Amino acid sequence: AQSVTQLGSHVSVSEGALVLLRCNYSSSVPPYLFWYVQYPNQGLQLLLKYTTGATLVKGINGFEAEFKKSETSFHLTKPSAHMSDAAEYFCAVRMYSSASKIIFGSGTRLSIRP
Amino acid sequence: GAVVSQHPSWVICKSGTSVKIECRSLDFQATTMFWYRQFPKQSLMLMATSNEGSKATYEQGVEKDKFLINHASLTLSTLTVTSAHPEDSSFYICSASRRGDEQYFGPGTRLTVT
Repeated sequence: AQSVTQLGSHVSVSEGALVLLRCNYSSSVPPYLFWYVQYPNQGLQLLLKYTTGATLVKGINGFEAEFKKSETSFHLTKPSAHMSDAAEYFCAVRMYSSASKIIFGSGTRLSIRP
Repeated sequence: GAVVSQHPSWVICKSGTSVKIECRSLDFQATTMFWYRQFPKQSLMLMATSNEGSKATYEQGVEKDKFLINHASLTLSTLTVTSAHPEDSSFYICSASRRGDEQYFGPGTRLTVT
C-alpha cells in the first residue's frame, strides 16, 4: 500500500532563506510523486511532479524537488523564500495509471518571517 | 488548458436539507472525476472516484447513500450531500482526469451546515 509522510506540520523560515519541506513515500514500486500548494480557501495548484527520467524536477515559482529512490524521499526546496510562498504544501503519490487515486500527505504549513 | 470549476464556491444550508455541488471540466473531456473532502487544517481525503456513465466507487467509510455522485457527462460531475448535518461541514474539492493524464483540481466548495 502506498503512503506519504510529511515531516513537520509547520515550517517557518525567514524571507530570503532556504525552504526545505520533507516528504517520504512508501510504495512497492517507484510511484509518480507530486507537490501541490494550497492557499487559504482555494483548491490545489500543482507545483511539480516526478514521473520518470531526471530525478531533479523543477517546478513553478522557483521550487524544485529531487527524487531519491534509495531514501524513498521527494523533498521540496526553494533557495530563497518569498512572502508569497506562505501556504500549505502537500506531497502526494500516485501509481502509474491516471485513474488511480492520489494519496496525499498530511500537509506542511509554510510561514515566512519578514 | 485543463481548467476545472466548481459551483458554488460557498454554500450554507440548514440541517436536514440536501445540497448539490457541481464540478466541471471547462476545456477538456474528463474520463474520471474524483471527490475529496478536507477538514480544517487537515489533508485531502478521497471520497469517491467516478467514471462517466458508470457508478461511482466510494472509499471505505464513505456513505454512498449520503454522498450521491453523478457523472452524467464527460464534463460534469455532481456531488449531492443528502440530509446534511453540521458534521458534514467541510471543504469539498473535485479533480478531473483525462485518459492518460494527471488530475486537475477545482477551486473547492466550502459547505457550512447550520
